[in-house]
Amino acid sequence: VQLVESGGGLVRLGGSLRLSCAGSGFNFITYSMNWVRQAPGKGLEWISYISSSSKTIYYADSVKGRFTVSRDNAENSLFLQLKNLRADDTAVYYCARGHGDYPTGWFDPWGQGTLVTVSS
Amino acid sequence: SYVLTQPPSLSVAPGKTAIITCGGNNVGTKSVHWYQQKSGQAPVLVIYFDTDRPSGIPERFSGSASGSTATLTISRVEAGDEADYYCQVWDGSGDRLSLFGGGTKLTVL
Repeated sequence: VQLVESGGGLVRLGGSLRLSCAGSGFNFITYSMNWVRQAPGKGLEWISYISSSSKTIYYADSVKGRFTVSRDNAENSLFLQLKNLRADDTAVYYCARGHGDYPTGWFDPWGQGTLVTVSS
Repeated sequence: SYVLTQPPSLSVAPGKTAIITCGGNNVGTKSVHWYQQKSGQAPVLVIYFDTDRPSGIPERFSGSASGSTATLTISRVEAGDEADYYCQVWDGSGDRLSLFGGGTKLTVL
């Protein structure tokens, strides 16, 4: 079971970025997925959940209206579109598999993370 | 909004027991999950559903939850256990439907 993120990088204030997460070694279509971020030297912050069918989506208030989660089950891929980026969005972004299709469960496994740096 | 409170740091000698707490209003009524994050690495699940251990996690790791406190206990601490530990619950309300505690840095003396 493996998750691999990509798409991070340096972006200007107010800019946009699209993160990807490729899943392998498990039946991707049957699991919910999450995005969790970690600012430099700080703790973990959950930011988004998407159910297996994409019918149910949740966001933390800190990113609602600016970030959009989606998935392509045919490609075993998860995405996070980041828009109107702010300095406090600078973080390592992790994708993490949920517990079945329940938002109430745990996150396992996690990808290695991709760093997003927002600069002025 | 719901808050999970962890002590920022804990130091334990090798071979001793580390007890990491996670405080929250009636946290014992929620399902608490714990993660270990070693320096420069992604988090790893070590306890789920308060007390269950994923395959591959040593029996030295155990969890409990009651009332307003959840606890991660690491018995016979080893140098390799040095890491940040985070508790996590699903709250379903507020500004963060799923949330983490602030993390506890475990130092092995």
